[in-house]
Amino acid sequence: QSALTQPPSASGSPGQSVTISCTGTSSDVGSYNYVSWYQQHPGKAPKVVIYEVSKRPSGVPERFSGSKSGNTASLTVSGLQAEDEADYYCSSYAGNNNLVFGGGTKLTVL
Amino acid sequence: EVQLVQSGAEVKKPGESLKISCKGSGYRFTSYWIGWVRQMPGKGLEWMGIIYPSDSDTRYSPSFQGQVTISADKSISTAYLQWSSLKASDTAMYYCARFPGNGRLDYWGQGTLVTVSS
Repeated sequence: QSALTQPPSASGSPGQSVTISCTGTSSDVGSYNYVSWYQQHPGKAPKVVIYEVSKRPSGVPERFSGSKSGNTASLTVSGLQAEDEADYYCSSYAGNNNLVFGGGTKLTVL
Repeated sequence: EVQLVQSGAEVKKPGESLKISCKGSGYRFTSYWIGWVRQMPGKGLEWMGIIYPSDSDTRYSPSFQGQVTISADKSISTAYLQWSSLKASDTAMYYCARFPGNGRLDYWGQGTLVTVSS
């Protein structure tokens, strides 16, 4: 299976909104509502911020939201804060208890 | 509190074997799949495979099939990732993570850095 496609970088000023896309195929993103998004700060393990396309784990701010249309999922971070600066990875269930990740997007808060 | 604690950093030579571990606590270890994820230096996350500790049912990403072996010892709540002959290209951070079955990895280990160099 091929990696999901994400833009390498995204940026926004504090308080603004930014959306990161994640494009897969009809075999992964398009087939399952099991898209997750992970936030990774430098030197740290990833942390899930969105799962099942649009659900937020306990403790994740409401500023993080997710959606999906066809083979493309999106993560939106509203009201950007300095601590949101990190790498973000999408993943999708790909059947047979396998996952596929996106290449990652570096989010910069200007 | 759910925790996954991984073994410490390793420095190995090409051709050597290695087994790293991931010990779960704070939940029923046999009720959740454990996945392994590779992150090469400065690169993104890559899915390696997954194991169900209750019966050791194992699935591998096509990219890692035959390159590594995933195993588990449910009696000590520990999952393993092993190599029989390391290559320099195996240099990476390796994470284990719990997979509750809805496509997400909800708890992650702290990572094990493996360095392979002659």
